[in-house]
Amino acid sequence: EADIYQTPRYLVIGTGKKITLECSQTMGHDKMYWYQQDPGMELHLIHYSYGVNSTEKGDLSSESTVSRIRTEHFPLTLESARPSHTSQYLCASSERRSSYEQYFGPGTRLTVT
Amino acid sequence: AQKVTQAQTEISVVEKEDVTLDCVYETRDTTYYLFWYKQPPSGELVFLIRRNSFDEQNEISGRYSWNFQKSTSSFNFTITASQVVDSAVYFCALSAANYGQNFVFGPGTRLSVLP
Repeated sequence: EADIYQTPRYLVIGTGKKITLECSQTMGHDKMYWYQQDPGMELHLIHYSYGVNSTEKGDLSSESTVSRIRTEHFPLTLESARPSHTSQYLCASSERRSSYEQYFGPGTRLTVT
Repeated sequence: AQKVTQAQTEISVVEKEDVTLDCVYETRDTTYYLFWYKQPPSGELVFLIRRNSFDEQNEISGRYSWNFQKSTSSFNFTITASQVVDSAVYFCALSAANYGQNFVFGPGTRLSVLP
């Protein structure tokens, strides 16, 4: 059973607001990831981290930013939300090596009006 | 370049039928890992299986089985005697060192099992 948590699960917010999506894991995993996904569609990697103080951009250009101050915590921030940011955001974590599976959180469904 | 193709966008079957989900991958790495995930309507991705490139043994877990063939770069997933609870989107993924050990996901196959 994976222990990775995301809050909030659902968020409806107006254009221009600043939001932070929270992600925490209790497995001590080094690597963490953020994916953007329209429901049931392809997953797009937007950010990842190898460990504390490491952040990297993924394949899909994103206006969001991330930080990794603690191993267990990997929040994603949107400074000014827009309707184009409406999507599902999935957080995942894994051991550092490529042989290890990623464990996913339940996701945050974001709607920007 | 790494790529995963799932040619079947949507599949519908009637309960108790067997169904196979196809996955074809591309990589230049000799060492790589393949995965299957299930995404039910609740939205969370559930890990199903991991296979490394040196292990071509097929695997069976209950009603699930996986057929890995390096010769055709395929890693297909079969559900035997499907059930309504199997309805979900299924993703195949590839991980290799040349891609920074990140996953490349396929576009997913939506499986609907009708009662």
